[in-house]
Amino acid sequence: GAVVSQHPSRVICKSGTSVKIECRSLDFQATTMFWYRQFPKQSLMLMATSNEGSKATYEQGVEKDKFLINHASLTLSTLTVTSAHPEDSSFYICSARDTERTDTQYFGPGTRLTVL
Amino acid sequence: QKEVEQDPGPLSVPEGAIVSLNCTYSNSAFQYFMWYRQYSRKGPELLMYTYSSGNKEDGRFTAQVDKSSKYISLFIRDSQPSDSATYLCAMRSSGNTGKLIFGQGTTLQVKP
Repeated sequence: GAVVSQHPSRVICKSGTSVKIECRSLDFQATTMFWYRQFPKQSLMLMATSNEGSKATYEQGVEKDKFLINHASLTLSTLTVTSAHPEDSSFYICSARDTERTDTQYFGPGTRLTVL
Repeated sequence: QKEVEQDPGPLSVPEGAIVSLNCTYSNSAFQYFMWYRQYSRKGPELLMYTYSSGNKEDGRFTAQVDKSSKYISLFIRDSQPSDSATYLCAMRSSGNTGKLIFGQGTTLQVKP
C-alpha cells in the first residue's frame, strides 16, 4: 500500500522558535499533499492543501505567514511553524494524494509539537 | 448542520461481536467514500475505499454506501481487541482538489 512518512515524530521547542516538519510519499508521487491539525478527541482539521510547484491553498482562519508550506518535489512537502507559541502545540498530520491508484489520501504517522 | 455527521460514541462491544459504524451526509455531490482507522497518537490508516453506491468487502470489513439515503456504514465482523480505535468516515466529490470531508470519528472499544 501507499506509504507516507513524517519527520520528526515529536518535537519540543521554546516559544519564539521555528519548527519544520517534513512529509514524504515513499512509494508514489503526490502532486497534492494536505496538512491537518488534530486536537485531543477531535477530528482532523484541514489547514492547507499543498500543490507541487505552486502556492499552497490555506483554509479560512489559518495564517499563511505563520504556517509556511513548501512542496518542492513530487514526494516532499514541508510545514514550517514560524515563531511558535504554546497555543501552536498540537498533533500535525500530513497526507498525500495517490492519483495513480485509489485517488485518495494516505496519511503520515503525525508529528506531536510541544511549545514551551 | 455539518456536512458529515458521525456519532462520536464511545461504542463498547465484547470480543467477537459484529460492529456497525455509520455516517450520514448532506451533500449529494459526494461520490467517493472512505473509512479510516486511527489509533491513539497515530495517523489515520485507510481501511476501505468505495465509489458510488454498493457494498465492498475486505476480510472482516464491509463498507456499504447508500447514496439515495446519504448513508454509509462500516461493518466489522468477529471484532478483536486490536480493533479498538477511532474510526473516521471521509468523503469527497469528484472535483480535482481531492479535499476530504471527515466525520467526527467514532471511538470503538472491543473488550476481551
